[in-house]
Amino acid sequence: EAGVAQSPRYKIIEKRQSVAFWCNPISGHATLYWYQQILGQGPKLLIQFQNNGVVDDSQLPKDRFSAERLKGVDSTLKIQPAKLEDSAVYLCASSPISGRSTQYFGPGTRLTVL
Amino acid sequence: SQQGEEDPQALSIQEGENATMNCSYKTSINNLQWYRQNSGRGLVHLILIRSNEREKHSGRLRVTLDTSKKSSSLLITASRAADTASYFCAPDTGRRALTFGSGTRLQVQP
Repeated sequence: EAGVAQSPRYKIIEKRQSVAFWCNPISGHATLYWYQQILGQGPKLLIQFQNNGVVDDSQLPKDRFSAERLKGVDSTLKIQPAKLEDSAVYLCASSPISGRSTQYFGPGTRLTVL
Repeated sequence: SQQGEEDPQALSIQEGENATMNCSYKTSINNLQWYRQNSGRGLVHLILIRSNEREKHSGRLRVTLDTSKKSSSLLITASRAADTASYFCAPDTGRRALTFGSGTRLQVQP
């Protein structure tokens, strides 16, 4: 079984530029999560999708961050415009069902904002 | 808050020794999960213990859960250099996505 795929693995941009990350979850997994992990901290949930609907985006900075999950499969997370404090690893995870279920994480995208 | 808090923040041991890390949480849970994160990688699920279980084993891992004290512990026996990683607990209430604390950074010296 293929794992969660993410791309790119690394991205360096200047502040005020835009950036997009892509995630392909495990086949058949209905739930998809995006986490932000700042160096030295644990992952912080940004948004949770159930199929192609948003379940929880309470911690997503909506003035600059957006995410979509087309057709309930792949997902993209976009930041526009980026700030220095957005430097972090962005992790995508998926699970078969929401709650009461193990989450499977991708390798992450390391974003550096200069 | 659903988030678990790991203790200690950092732990350094010699290869072959046992490593114990603890987790405390504040809400009622369906289960509690432990994850490992190697440097530069995503999190990997290690073990899940349900709320009606008190102890669970998987290879060199032993997890305990005390729901009355809202605490869990993860024991890694006969540690190896490859166990060097950050370890996170994730209390699962079944109502929200998992949330994570800052983890325990384990360093196993060869």
